[in-house]
Amino acid sequence: DAGVIQSPRHEVTEMGQEVTLRCKPISGHDYLFWYRQTMMRGLELLIYFNNNVPIDDSGMPEDRFSAKMPNASFSTLKIQPSEPRDSAVYFCASSSTGNSYEQYFGPGTRLTVT
Amino acid sequence: QQQVKQSPQSLIVQKGGISIINCAYENTAFDYFPWYQQFPGKGPALLIAIRPDVSEKKEGRFTISFNKSAKQFSLHIMDSQPGDSATYFCAAGLHNFNKFYFGSGTKLNVKP
Repeated sequence: DAGVIQSPRHEVTEMGQEVTLRCKPISGHDYLFWYRQTMMRGLELLIYFNNNVPIDDSGMPEDRFSAKMPNASFSTLKIQPSEPRDSAVYFCASSSTGNSYEQYFGPGTRLTVT
Repeated sequence: QQQVKQSPQSLIVQKGGISIINCAYENTAFDYFPWYQQFPGKGPALLIAIRPDVSEKKEGRFTISFNKSAKQFSLHIMDSQPGDSATYFCAAGLHNFNKFYFGSGTKLNVKP
């Protein structure tokens, strides 16, 4: 298996621009998680989905952030408009029912907003 | 409120020594306590995990000790190797809800 795939790996954008991060979970996994990692706040859960349905989005910082999962093999995290304080590494992770506590993380997207 | 507190923030250990990282949690309902290992430029990877019905779990050189009454758990790395140099995160949560709270991380540097 290829593992969790994220794209792009690096993104540099200017403040005010829209940013879209993409994730392909491991085939057969029915849970998908979006995390954000910064030096100041560590690893934070933003939102997670089960069977493509958002279950808990209480970690989404504000309305500028949105996430979708149109099908079992694809999810996006969008930031519009982006701000310098959104600069972080964003991780996607997936897991499966029955073994749902073991989350497999992707390599992350390093986002820099100037 | 910080659900999981981790210490130390950084740790330097000589090769062959024992690395110890400590975590404390708030919610007594938590029933799953994983440790993740993260190398630079990579995502975290599950290292070892424990449920609260046991006080210790060992996998190779890695051991989790769990103290339910104190709401604390720790990771011990025996015979630490330079290849163990990474950032380690503890986490805690309710596995049925799939929501885990991560500690702030410990950057381990094992000196050759």
